[in-house]
Amino acid sequence: TQLLEQSPQFLSIQEGENLTVYCNSSSVFSSLQWYRQEPGEGPVLLVTVVTGGEVKKLKRLTFQFGDARKDSSLHITAAQPGDTGLYLCAGRAGGTSYGKLTFGQGTILTVHP
Amino acid sequence: EAGVAQSPRYKIIEKRQSVAFWCNPISGHATLYWYQQILGQGPKLLIQFQNNGVVDDSQLPKDRFSAERLKGVDSTLKIQPAKLEDSAVYLCASSFYLTSTDTQYFGPGTRLTVL
Repeated sequence: TQLLEQSPQFLSIQEGENLTVYCNSSSVFSSLQWYRQEPGEGPVLLVTVVTGGEVKKLKRLTFQFGDARKDSSLHITAAQPGDTGLYLCAGRAGGTSYGKLTFGQGTILTVHP
Repeated sequence: EAGVAQSPRYKIIEKRQSVAFWCNPISGHATLYWYQQILGQGPKLLIQFQNNGVVDDSQLPKDRFSAERLKGVDSTLKIQPAKLEDSAVYLCASSFYLTSTDTQYFGPGTRLTVL
């Protein structure tokens, strides 16, 4: 069974601060995705990373996939109250299980005005 | 484009009762997923369909949970009988096809409370 460990589980910061969320596993993933989920809604895809060492930027969000494709990070610059939510990483194994997503337990981010 | 629809949004039942959830995926999406999300945890895949065939149900508690996707479109997930530990949000997702980088679109979920 592949496991994804996210840290920290909870993050409470002030508007304008920077933060990083980590997603780690002992398993190799063919791709890794980051989602954001708001209360009462389903997760919404933010980004997919595929290549080891890949870095993707989405406005103030920077996503990195580890060289060995076992870990990833999400960095938010100058956080805003609208960034508040549950951030989930999810990995896909290769081979015949390429469709199946394994999710981390999530990081609850609260950005105070 | 309409998103993934789920109903009901909320359901409260007593243990040992049965319950059913319905999902209508995005039009044209061949792959449909049911996830269970317990409070404080990430979603856990219960079952995955490709059209009307089951691709993965390895984490579905088959003694009490069942799911079907008739005609490869809508899907229902049933729990019979429910246990206290089944209290969770049940998410349905769909994707266009089964690839390693395909985007899954999630519905709003059904929040089940078992008393």
